[in-house]
Amino acid sequence: AQSVTQLGSHVSVSEGALVLLRCNYSSSVPPYLFWYVQYPNQGLQLLLKYTSAATLVKGINGFEAEFKKSETSFHLTKPSAHMSDAAEYFCAVSDESSGGYQKVTFGTGTKLQVIP
Amino acid sequence: DTGVSQNPRHKITKRGQNVTFRCDPISEHNRLYWYRQTLGQGPEFLTYFQNEAQLEKSRLLSDRFSAERPKGSFSTLEIQRTEQGDSAMYLCASSRGGGRSTDTQYFGPGTRLTVL
Repeated sequence: AQSVTQLGSHVSVSEGALVLLRCNYSSSVPPYLFWYVQYPNQGLQLLLKYTSAATLVKGINGFEAEFKKSETSFHLTKPSAHMSDAAEYFCAVSDESSGGYQKVTFGTGTKLQVIP
Repeated sequence: DTGVSQNPRHKITKRGQNVTFRCDPISEHNRLYWYRQTLGQGPEFLTYFQNEAQLEKSRLLSDRFSAERPKGSFSTLEIQRTEQGDSAMYLCASSRGGGRSTDTQYFGPGTRLTVL
């Protein structure tokens, strides 16, 4: 069974500092991995996805993530945090289900606080 | 591409009442999903439609829950005899299918249900 583990339910960074949100995955097949962002009382917005092409994936809003098979990790980074980055971030893994669709399993989320 | 829309955005109801939520997917997407998200958790899969056919249901979807997608466009999720444990954010997502690398799910803003 596939799963993701997000280390740290809350992360605080200063404005302008590096953002690092950790995600480790477990999958029996080559994984497709995603990061979504959720602002308060909103749905999930796709930040970026890894689909077995380049291991360094660039997303929206200056975020990027690196797939490391040896570490089973897909950590999300941004060089310089902005106040508008304060939100909850979800790592997710997908696999082909018996029903023929991509079965997506989400982590429990990491709330990012940006301190002015 | 107007995105996935959901109505209502918020619903407060008394225990024992029935509620119905609506989801309008991205117009060219033939796949539609419902998820439930409780506080402090990531979204959990409830059910999946391909066009009008409901192809998979999670064990989370009790007999009090029913979902339809009558014409393969919008979908409704009904909860009968609501219980306080049903309080959650209900998220809808859609995707275009077409293979693993393109079958990315895009989420709506969600309907937040509060059962008193």
